[in-house]
Amino acid sequence: NAGVTQTPKFQVLKTGQSMTLQCAQDMNHEYMSWYRQDPGMGLRLIHYSVGAGITDQGEVPNGYNVSRSTTEDFPLRLLSAAPSQTSVYFCASSYPRGDSYNEQFFGPGTRLTVL
Amino acid sequence: AQRVTQPEKLLSVFKGAPVELKCNYSYSGSPELFWYVQYSRQRLQLLLRHISRESIKGFTADLNKGETSFHLKKPFAQEEDSAMYYCALRAGGFKTIFGAGTRLFVKA
Repeated sequence: NAGVTQTPKFQVLKTGQSMTLQCAQDMNHEYMSWYRQDPGMGLRLIHYSVGAGITDQGEVPNGYNVSRSTTEDFPLRLLSAAPSQTSVYFCASSYPRGDSYNEQFFGPGTRLTVL
Repeated sequence: AQRVTQPEKLLSVFKGAPVELKCNYSYSGSPELFWYVQYSRQRLQLLLRHISRESIKGFTADLNKGETSFHLKKPFAQEEDSAMYYCALRAGGFKTIFGAGTRLFVKA
């Protein structure tokens, strides 16, 4: 199993450009999420999905769109990049355990710079 | 409001010394708490979870509901423990709230 994969690893954008960060998992996990990691702020949840066709907003959703057409893929779209979106982005997946906790498995991250 | 607070951005200790990474949370429901770790050039990974009451790599963490804390402890730090540590709260449903993280540096 490759686990959670993310592409690209690095990306530089100009303000106003659009792009899609790709995330895929091969563990048949129902839950997937996107976080951004900023110094001094830890990981903040952008969007998450509890299954194909179902997405919801996290703490910092503005400027980002997501969709979940398959169980495996959960792309994150930046429609018009802004310097404030310069960050490291992590995708994670998890599986339900009834009412109990869910360990999240993280991808390697995408480092995005917006000029 | 749901919140996770890690008051120390950086914690530096000598090898063999005890270490405690602090975590406090704010949540009105029944919390599920985790510690995640990110070693240099590695992925973020789960270290331990409160419900398991387990010791991983010599680390333990006890949930104190009265003090709303979930501090991570290890009696004798090792150099390989140097990493970024995140406390996380599963705040209902699938949402997980992370703290700002504490960088642990273990000096030889």
